[in-house]
Amino acid sequence: EPEVTQTPSHQVTQMGQEVILRCVPISNHLYFYWYRQILGQKVEFLVSFYNNEISEKSEIFDDQFSVERPDGSNFTLKIRSTKLEDSAMYFCASSASYRNEQFFGPGTRLTVL
Amino acid sequence: TQLLEQSPQFLSIQEGENLTVYCNSSSVFSSLQWYRQEPGEGPVLLVTVVTGGEVKKLKRLTFQFGDARKDSSLHITAAQPGDTGLYLCAGAGNNDMRFGAGTRLTVKP
Repeated sequence: EPEVTQTPSHQVTQMGQEVILRCVPISNHLYFYWYRQILGQKVEFLVSFYNNEISEKSEIFDDQFSVERPDGSNFTLKIRSTKLEDSAMYFCASSASYRNEQFFGPGTRLTVL
Repeated sequence: TQLLEQSPQFLSIQEGENLTVYCNSSSVFSSLQWYRQEPGEGPVLLVTVVTGGEVKKLKRLTFQFGDARKDSSLHITAAQPGDTGLYLCAGAGNNDMRFGAGTRLTVKP
Protein backbone atom coordinates (compact mmCIF):
# COMPACT_ATOMS: atom_id res chain seq x y z
CA GLU A 1 0.00 0.00 0.00
CA PRO A 2 1.49 3.39 -0.98
CA GLU A 3 2.43 5.67 1.88
CA VAL A 4 3.94 9.03 2.62
CA THR A 5 7.51 8.84 3.89
CA GLN A 6 9.51 11.45 5.77
CA THR A 7 13.17 11.90 6.60
CA PRO A 8 14.82 12.25 8.97
CA SER A 9 12.70 10.77 11.72
CA HIS A 10 14.46 12.97 14.27
CA GLN A 11 16.46 16.15 13.72
CA VAL A 12 18.35 17.98 16.43
CA THR A 13 19.69 21.44 15.63
CA GLN A 14 21.07 24.52 17.28
CA MET A 15 18.97 27.67 17.47
CA GLY A 16 19.60 29.86 14.44
CA GLN A 17 20.53 26.99 12.15
CA GLU A 18 18.69 26.10 8.96
CA VAL A 19 16.92 22.77 8.67
CA ILE A 20 15.33 21.00 5.73
CA LEU A 21 12.69 18.39 6.35
CA ARG A 22 12.01 15.98 3.54
CA CYS A 23 8.89 14.18 2.42
CA VAL A 24 8.06 11.80 -0.39
CA PRO A 25 4.30 12.01 -1.01
CA ILE A 26 2.23 9.22 -2.50
CA SER A 27 3.25 9.05 -6.13
CA ASN A 28 0.01 9.92 -7.92
CA HIS A 29 -1.04 12.62 -5.46
CA LEU A 30 -1.10 16.24 -6.56
CA TYR A 31 -1.70 18.18 -3.36
CA PHE A 32 0.88 18.39 -0.61
CA TYR A 33 0.75 19.74 2.91
CA TRP A 34 2.86 20.41 5.96
CA TYR A 35 1.52 20.37 9.49
CA ARG A 36 3.19 20.67 12.85
CA GLN A 37 2.28 19.40 16.28
CA ILE A 38 3.93 20.82 19.35
CA LEU A 39 4.16 18.21 22.10
CA GLY A 40 0.77 17.74 23.74
CA GLN A 41 -0.99 20.18 21.44
CA LYS A 42 -3.19 19.94 18.39
CA VAL A 43 -2.11 19.33 14.83
CA GLU A 44 -1.71 22.74 13.14
CA PHE A 45 -1.87 23.44 9.44
CA LEU A 46 1.18 25.19 7.99
CA VAL A 47 0.91 25.20 4.21
CA SER A 48 -0.64 23.53 1.19
CA PHE A 49 1.06 23.22 -2.18
CA TYR A 50 -0.28 22.46 -5.63
CA ASN A 51 1.06 22.86 -9.13
CA ASN A 52 4.43 24.05 -7.83
CA GLU A 53 3.07 26.88 -5.79
CA ILE A 54 1.64 27.55 -2.38
CA SER A 55 -2.16 27.33 -2.32
CA GLU A 56 -2.69 28.48 1.22
CA LYS A 57 -0.62 29.13 4.30
CA SER A 58 -1.43 29.72 7.93
CA GLU A 59 -0.29 32.53 10.18
CA ILE A 60 2.41 30.20 11.52
CA PHE A 61 4.05 29.95 8.10
CA ASP A 62 6.05 33.18 8.20
CA ASP A 63 9.11 34.28 6.22
CA GLN A 64 11.30 31.79 8.07
CA PHE A 65 9.49 28.92 6.34
CA SER A 66 9.59 27.86 2.73
CA VAL A 67 8.50 24.83 0.75
CA GLU A 68 9.81 23.36 -2.44
CA ARG A 69 9.24 20.45 -4.76
CA PRO A 70 12.76 20.18 -6.17
CA ASP A 71 12.04 17.13 -8.31
CA GLY A 72 9.19 14.80 -9.18
CA SER A 73 9.13 13.00 -5.88
CA ASN A 74 10.37 15.11 -2.96
CA PHE A 75 8.55 17.85 -1.09
CA THR A 76 10.61 19.82 1.39
CA LEU A 77 10.03 22.23 4.25
CA LYS A 78 12.87 24.61 5.07
CA ILE A 79 13.16 26.60 8.26
CA ARG A 80 15.79 29.29 7.70
CA SER A 81 16.76 30.23 11.23
CA THR A 82 15.30 27.89 13.79
CA LYS A 83 13.93 29.11 17.09
CA LEU A 84 13.36 27.16 20.28
CA GLU A 85 9.61 27.31 19.70
CA ASP A 86 10.00 25.52 16.36
CA SER A 87 10.56 22.30 18.29
CA ALA A 88 7.68 20.03 17.28
CA MET A 89 6.65 17.05 15.19
CA TYR A 90 6.34 18.05 11.55
CA PHE A 91 3.97 16.00 9.42
CA CYS A 92 3.77 15.91 5.67
CA ALA A 93 0.54 14.85 3.98
CA SER A 94 -0.66 14.38 0.45
CA SER A 95 -3.99 13.97 -1.30
CA ALA A 96 -5.09 12.92 -4.75
CA SER A 97 -7.37 15.84 -5.39
CA TYR A 98 -8.68 19.08 -3.99
CA ARG A 99 -10.26 18.61 -0.56
CA ASN A 100 -9.82 14.89 -0.84
CA GLU A 101 -8.72 12.82 2.09
CA GLN A 102 -5.17 13.43 3.18
CA PHE A 103 -2.66 10.76 4.06
CA PHE A 104 -0.02 11.59 6.61
CA GLY A 105 3.59 10.59 6.92
CA PRO A 106 5.13 9.34 10.17
CA GLY A 107 6.54 12.77 11.00
CA THR A 108 9.92 14.32 11.75
CA ARG A 109 10.61 15.25 15.33
CA LEU A 110 12.53 18.54 15.30
CA THR A 111 14.37 19.52 18.46
CA VAL A 112 15.92 22.99 18.59
CA LEU A 113 18.50 23.49 21.34
CA THR B 1 -10.79 30.70 11.17
CA GLN B 2 -12.86 27.53 11.34
CA LEU B 3 -12.59 26.01 14.80
CA LEU B 4 -13.41 22.43 15.68
CA GLU B 5 -14.29 21.57 19.25
CA GLN B 6 -13.96 17.98 20.32
CA SER B 7 -15.53 16.50 23.42
CA PRO B 8 -14.82 14.99 25.75
CA GLN B 9 -11.14 15.83 25.89
CA PHE B 10 -10.39 12.65 27.84
CA LEU B 11 -12.40 9.46 28.17
CA SER B 12 -11.53 6.38 30.19
CA ILE B 13 -13.82 3.36 30.01
CA GLN B 14 -13.84 -0.37 30.62
CA GLU B 15 -13.54 -2.94 27.88
CA GLY B 16 -16.94 -3.79 26.42
CA GLU B 17 -18.53 -0.40 27.02
CA ASN B 18 -19.93 1.80 24.28
CA LEU B 19 -18.88 5.41 23.80
CA THR B 20 -19.52 8.44 21.64
CA VAL B 21 -17.19 11.34 20.99
CA TYR B 22 -18.18 14.58 19.35
CA CYS B 23 -16.76 17.11 16.95
CA ASN B 24 -18.56 20.43 16.69
CA SER B 25 -18.09 23.65 14.79
CA SER B 26 -20.00 26.80 13.96
CA SER B 27 -18.69 26.52 10.40
CA VAL B 28 -19.84 24.36 7.52
CA PHE B 29 -17.29 21.97 6.07
CA SER B 30 -17.22 20.43 2.64
CA SER B 31 -15.98 17.23 4.25
CA LEU B 32 -14.86 16.03 7.62
CA GLN B 33 -12.32 13.40 8.40
CA TRP B 34 -11.63 11.31 11.46
CA TYR B 35 -8.11 10.24 12.28
CA ARG B 36 -6.52 8.18 14.99
CA GLN B 37 -3.07 9.09 16.24
CA GLU B 38 -0.68 7.03 18.33
CA PRO B 39 2.06 8.76 20.38
CA GLY B 40 4.99 9.81 18.19
CA GLU B 41 3.25 8.84 14.96
CA GLY B 42 1.29 10.58 12.24
CA PRO B 43 -2.51 10.66 12.14
CA VAL B 44 -4.02 7.65 10.40
CA LEU B 45 -7.16 8.27 8.40
CA LEU B 46 -10.22 6.34 9.58
CA VAL B 47 -13.01 7.79 7.47
CA THR B 48 -14.15 10.76 5.40
CA VAL B 49 -17.74 12.00 5.52
CA VAL B 50 -19.00 14.33 2.85
CA THR B 51 -22.79 14.40 2.72
CA GLY B 52 -24.94 15.94 5.45
CA GLY B 53 -26.61 13.18 7.45
CA GLU B 54 -24.18 10.58 6.16
CA VAL B 55 -23.47 7.57 8.34
CA LYS B 56 -20.45 5.34 7.76
CA LYS B 57 -19.57 2.16 9.58
CA LEU B 58 -16.12 0.71 10.02
CA LYS B 59 -16.49 -2.53 11.99
CA ARG B 60 -17.37 -1.37 15.52
CA LEU B 61 -16.97 2.31 14.67
CA THR B 62 -19.92 4.37 13.42
CA PHE B 63 -19.34 7.87 12.07
CA GLN B 64 -22.08 10.39 11.49
CA PHE B 65 -21.96 13.76 9.75
CA GLY B 66 -24.55 16.27 10.90
CA ASP B 67 -27.28 17.37 8.52
CA ALA B 68 -25.86 20.88 8.41
CA ARG B 69 -22.29 19.58 7.92
CA LYS B 70 -21.10 21.42 11.02
CA ASP B 71 -20.68 18.53 13.40
CA SER B 72 -19.86 14.87 13.54
CA SER B 73 -19.82 12.01 15.99
CA LEU B 74 -17.89 8.80 16.38
CA HIS B 75 -19.55 5.93 18.20
CA ILE B 76 -17.59 2.85 19.25
CA THR B 77 -19.46 -0.28 20.23
CA ALA B 78 -17.98 -2.77 22.68
CA ALA B 79 -14.69 -0.90 23.04
CA GLN B 80 -11.49 -2.91 23.23
CA PRO B 81 -8.08 -2.01 24.68
CA GLY B 82 -6.79 -1.81 21.12
CA ASP B 83 -9.10 1.17 20.55
CA THR B 84 -6.99 3.23 22.95
CA GLY B 85 -5.60 6.32 21.22
CA LEU B 86 -6.14 9.94 20.29
CA TYR B 87 -9.12 10.46 17.97
CA LEU B 88 -8.95 13.59 15.86
CA CYS B 89 -11.54 15.19 13.64
CA ALA B 90 -10.47 17.52 10.85
CA GLY B 91 -12.56 19.71 8.61
CA ALA B 92 -11.63 20.56 5.04
CA GLY B 93 -11.43 24.27 4.32
CA ASN B 94 -10.46 25.95 1.07
CA ASN B 95 -6.99 24.52 0.67
CA ASP B 96 -6.24 23.45 4.18
CA MET B 97 -7.53 21.24 6.93
CA ARG B 98 -8.20 22.30 10.49
CA PHE B 99 -7.89 19.81 13.29
CA GLY B 100 -9.67 19.58 16.58
CA ALA B 101 -7.62 19.02 19.72
CA GLY B 102 -8.77 15.40 19.90
CA THR B 103 -10.34 13.02 22.35
CA ARG B 104 -7.88 10.82 24.19
CA LEU B 105 -9.55 7.47 24.73
CA THR B 106 -8.32 4.86 27.17
CA VAL B 107 -9.98 1.45 27.23
CA LYS B 108 -9.07 -0.58 30.27
CA PRO B 109 -9.07 -4.38 30.08
